[in-house]
Amino acid sequence: TQLLEQSPQFLSIQEGENLTVYCNSSSVFSSLQWYRQEPGEGPVLLVTVVTGGEVKKLKRLTFQFGDARKDSSLHITAAQPGDTGLYLCAGESGTASKLTFGTGTRLQVTL
Amino acid sequence: DVKVTQSSRYLVKRTGEKVFLECVQDMDHENMFWYRQDPGLGLRLIYFSYDVKMKEKGDIPEGYSVSREKKERFSLILESASTNQTSMYLCASSLLAGIAYEQYFGPGTRLTVT
Repeated sequence: TQLLEQSPQFLSIQEGENLTVYCNSSSVFSSLQWYRQEPGEGPVLLVTVVTGGEVKKLKRLTFQFGDARKDSSLHITAAQPGDTGLYLCAGESGTASKLTFGTGTRLQVTL
Repeated sequence: DVKVTQSSRYLVKRTGEKVFLECVQDMDHENMFWYRQDPGLGLRLIYFSYDVKMKEKGDIPEGYSVSREKKERFSLILESASTNQTSMYLCASSLLAGIAYEQYFGPGTRLTVT
């Protein structure tokens, strides 16, 4: 079974701070996705990265796929309370679109 | 917008009961999935289906079965519910976007087995 480890598990920061969440594996993935989940809801896709070394930006969020396609990071600049939620990375193994999910990083942004 | 709906947001059942969780998607997606989500364990795949009447076991299929009689509907069945099946259950469907599949989730069903 492929494993995706996320760090940190919990993060509590103040509005305006920067943060980085990491997603690591010993396995190679054909693509890596990041989702955000709010309480009582299902995860919502934020971004998909498919090329080793790829960097994608979504407003204040920057996503990077490692050169070897085994790891990824999510950097948030000037965090806001609306960024609060559970962030999940997920790697696609190429088998009928199956995804392996990381354990998640719970982010709390306070005023 | 892709819409994935689940039959119940909250469900309370007794040990030994048969439980049906229904999921419907409206975007003609081929692939559908059932996960359970538990604190500290992330999302774990129970079963998935890539076509009508087709099903594949995921990582934790024990105690569960599934049914896909129509393309838009994927049902999860707990034959005899047990307390260790208390969890959040998430259904998803997926679409090939470029060269990667992207999953769309329903809101989840929080099941409590007493």
